[in-house]
Amino acid sequence: KNQVEQSPQSLIILEGKNCTLQCNYTVSPFSNLRWYKQDTGRGPVSLTIMTFSENTKSNGRYTATLDADTKQSSLHITASQLSDSASYICVVRIGAGNMLTFGGGTRLMVKP
Amino acid sequence: EAQVTQNPRYLITVTGKKLTVTCSQNMNHEYMSWYRQDPGLGLRQIYYSMNVEVTDKGDVPEGYKVSRKEKRNFPLILESPSPNQTSLYFCASQLGAGSSYEQYFGPGTRLTVT
Repeated sequence: KNQVEQSPQSLIILEGKNCTLQCNYTVSPFSNLRWYKQDTGRGPVSLTIMTFSENTKSNGRYTATLDADTKQSSLHITASQLSDSASYICVVRIGAGNMLTFGGGTRLMVKP
Repeated sequence: EAQVTQNPRYLITVTGKKLTVTCSQNMNHEYMSWYRQDPGLGLRQIYYSMNVEVTDKGDVPEGYKVSRKEKRNFPLILESPSPNQTSLYFCASQLGAGSSYEQYFGPGTRLTVT
């Protein structure tokens, strides 16, 4: 069964600190993996996309990693800001088509 | 501004009263889809459309209908809403059906069925 599991479910950190969110997947065949940021009451917005051959990709203070062998991805947020408070969703695309499997998300709260 | 719009943003209705949630995109995207988001279940695809007059079921299509008469619009229809359809709904679009295209999400419609 195609599944995407994220951990932790929720996380509280202090402003300025770093954090790492995890995504484990059992999807086959793997096509690509995206991390989305979803602010409360808004639609998800793509942060990064990673294909099978990519290990690391950065977007400003966000750095995503992918280990295709262990089927794990992480999203590292550096020097967190209050505006980073949001849900972060890991989405894995299956095969060449457009089938997506969504993780349940990690709810991040950054406190001053 | 390139965007996906949904209307209404919030809706409270009663069981059995037909409703339509509209979705429109101004990016000339071919591929559009509807999702519902529920606590603990994440986003689940309801229906998708690869182009005008081409629609197909996603993971949770029961109780929903869609139509794609024009490229820019993809309305979601609930013929007889029930309380288990209370959810947060997102419309999304992307340029094509290929795996490399980024998906753009609308702002969401929060539906409550009493």
